[in-house]
Amino acid sequence: SAVISQKPSRDICQRGTSLTIQCQVDSQVTMMFWYRQQPGQSLTLIATANQGSEATYESGFVIDKFPISRPNLTFSTLTVSNMSPEDSSIYLCSVYGGPGNEQFFGPGTRLTVL
Amino acid sequence: AQTVTQSQPEMSVQEAETVTLSCTYDTSENNYYLFWYKQPPSRQMILVIRQEAYKQQNATENRFSVNFQKAAKSFSLKISDSQLGDTAMYFCAFMLASNTGKLIFGQGTTLQVKP
Repeated sequence: SAVISQKPSRDICQRGTSLTIQCQVDSQVTMMFWYRQQPGQSLTLIATANQGSEATYESGFVIDKFPISRPNLTFSTLTVSNMSPEDSSIYLCSVYGGPGNEQFFGPGTRLTVL
Repeated sequence: AQTVTQSQPEMSVQEAETVTLSCTYDTSENNYYLFWYKQPPSRQMILVIRQEAYKQQNATENRFSVNFQKAAKSFSLKISDSQLGDTAMYFCAFMLASNTGKLIFGQGTTLQVKP
């Protein structure tokens, strides 16, 4: 199984600022994703983080708001830009692959925007 | 577009008893996977069980089993001998085989196991 770590685990930010969330995997994986879980709600896919190229965004999410980097097969970052209180959510990194073709999730980053 | 519906926002069960969580989904595709994930208060997403659509046999993992009805597009989770540690939010999820890693989640069911 893949072990995923995220930094920070939580943060409280002021509106208008930006926060970068880091995701580190303990093994090389082909596919990495970022999900959002708004308070009391389910998970929604933000984008697929592509190694060496631009991320692929789902409907309703744009690069200017959620820029993503993936410089190698074990690391990715998600930036939440120009934050507003509506961005208060848990952001989760996820990877897919491995011998069993399983999907693993990181522990999440709880973001509160004041 | 695919959708996943969990119609039970909250459920409770006595310790050691059995509970069934419901999930329905909608798709016109034939090749897909279905999952149940558990999210305890720690917010870590934990895979409970996985079902491949092409398999007729229902998946089981120890105390957890599913009732997969492909024609009815139904995928319920049965938890036997419920334990206090089963208290969590449970999410049903769908994934097209052609869209690996892209999960579509239901709204979730909060399960409370009572002593």
